[in-house]
Amino acid sequence: QVQLQQSGPGLVKPSQTLLLSCALSGDRVSNSSVSWNWIRQSPSRGLEWLGRTNYRSKWNSHYAASVESRIIINGDTSKNEFSLQLNSVTLEDTAVYYCVRDSNWRLDLWGRGTLVTVSS
Amino acid sequence: QSVLTQPPSVSAAPGQKVTISCSGGSSNIGNYYVSWYQQFPGAAPKLLIYENDKRPSGIPDRFSGSKSGSSATLGITGLQTGDEADYYCGTWDGGLSARVFGTGTKVTVL
Repeated sequence: QVQLQQSGPGLVKPSQTLLLSCALSGDRVSNSSVSWNWIRQSPSRGLEWLGRTNYRSKWNSHYAASVESRIIINGDTSKNEFSLQLNSVTLEDTAVYYCVRDSNWRLDLWGRGTLVTVSS
Repeated sequence: QSVLTQPPSVSAAPGQKVTISCSGGSSNIGNYYVSWYQQFPGAAPKLLIYENDKRPSGIPDRFSGSKSGSSATLGITGLQTGDEADYYCGTWDGGLSARVFGTGTKVTVL
């Protein structure tokens, strides 16, 4: 059974960096037929796609324009996980963050979500 | 912030049918597959429909999807109390080069 296990802090101070990881079991992050996404959800912004990464001989990432200047999504084949780094966070980055598998244009596997609160 | 528009809520009695609309444009629904997701409070969204009208394994045929032009529709027949949840449509937007989602619709069983 394929599962995504999220980890990372639930509280981040303004201007600091948000770091979340998503460990995969039952599949390989190097699976070239899927991509690995981060999506967040907040009452004010709804569901918001942040970006994705996939492995085609090397890691290729693509980001939403709204966060492109301060986001990095990486994959790690040795740990079989992928991660989200969001720099210079503000109160507007408070949300539930989900790691998600995209298989043939369907978001078919979701992590349980991590509530991240940006507060001093 | 959402690119796709859904009604905030729909309701019906047990056993009845509801439909949820998802309105977009040519840069998204008009040219890409639509998926639908079901979300219960405190839980992650779950894939309900993909490629406009296909159901993943385990999803009952009470749930159906369709697409016409730049709009899509989710139908739920034989409504059950366990169907009370939020429902979201989603697709790719070629203009934004990003995945986009609907505003979400809350289904209430009267």
